[in-house]
Amino acid sequence: GAVVSQHPSWVICKSGTSVKIECRSLDFQATTMFWYRQFPKQSLMLMATSNEGSKATYEQGVEKDKFLINHASLTLSTLTVTSAHPEDSSFYICSARDKSGQVINEQFFGPGTRLTVL
Amino acid sequence: QKEVEQNSGPLSVPEGAIASLNCTYSDRGSQSFFWYRQYSGKSPELIMFIYSNGDKEDGRFTAQLNKASQYVSLLIRDSQPSDSATYLCAVSPFSGGYNKLIFGAGTRLAVHP
Repeated sequence: GAVVSQHPSWVICKSGTSVKIECRSLDFQATTMFWYRQFPKQSLMLMATSNEGSKATYEQGVEKDKFLINHASLTLSTLTVTSAHPEDSSFYICSARDKSGQVINEQFFGPGTRLTVL
Repeated sequence: QKEVEQNSGPLSVPEGAIASLNCTYSDRGSQSFFWYRQYSGKSPELIMFIYSNGDKEDGRFTAQLNKASQYVSLLIRDSQPSDSATYLCAVSPFSGGYNKLIFGAGTRLAVHP
């Protein structure tokens, strides 16, 4: 149980284009999903917290107009990187918290999406 | 001061030895603590979590928490080459309303045969 999928697993795009990444909880309902970014040899940096049916909460320094987050259902959140540039190239990882989970703030991670912007 | 600090390593231990990984955190009101393992190019996988002061054991892994010292550690007994990975400490801080996890930079563990 507690499986989170991400799609696509990798994407290469041209500078200036937009890229959408999907995060799905496959066997549980997630009222809250999280989006992280990880640069090489660095730790996970929380970008935003996504709550179903409401606006995402962005961490300081993360541009909400550039990283659009939508959490339209209890099993799906999407991150759209708008007008991507080479500096946005990174490993994007989502996680989800089980609505009925017993462990406080336990998060289940997706496999990640590697974005390369040329 | 970083919210969650870990020694980046690498920590090199021989196969069969005990690996000790340490983590300190700044938010005294932090509530829950997690250890994740991350292989290169993969996303983190949960090893264990701990809430209460003291030790918590799960197979070859033992998590230790000392809230007074704001310190959490992970011991890996009988280390195997397959344990070679980056170990991430994550904390659920009061400052975040306990709604998010803050990760340390991770400690790279290398277990050599």
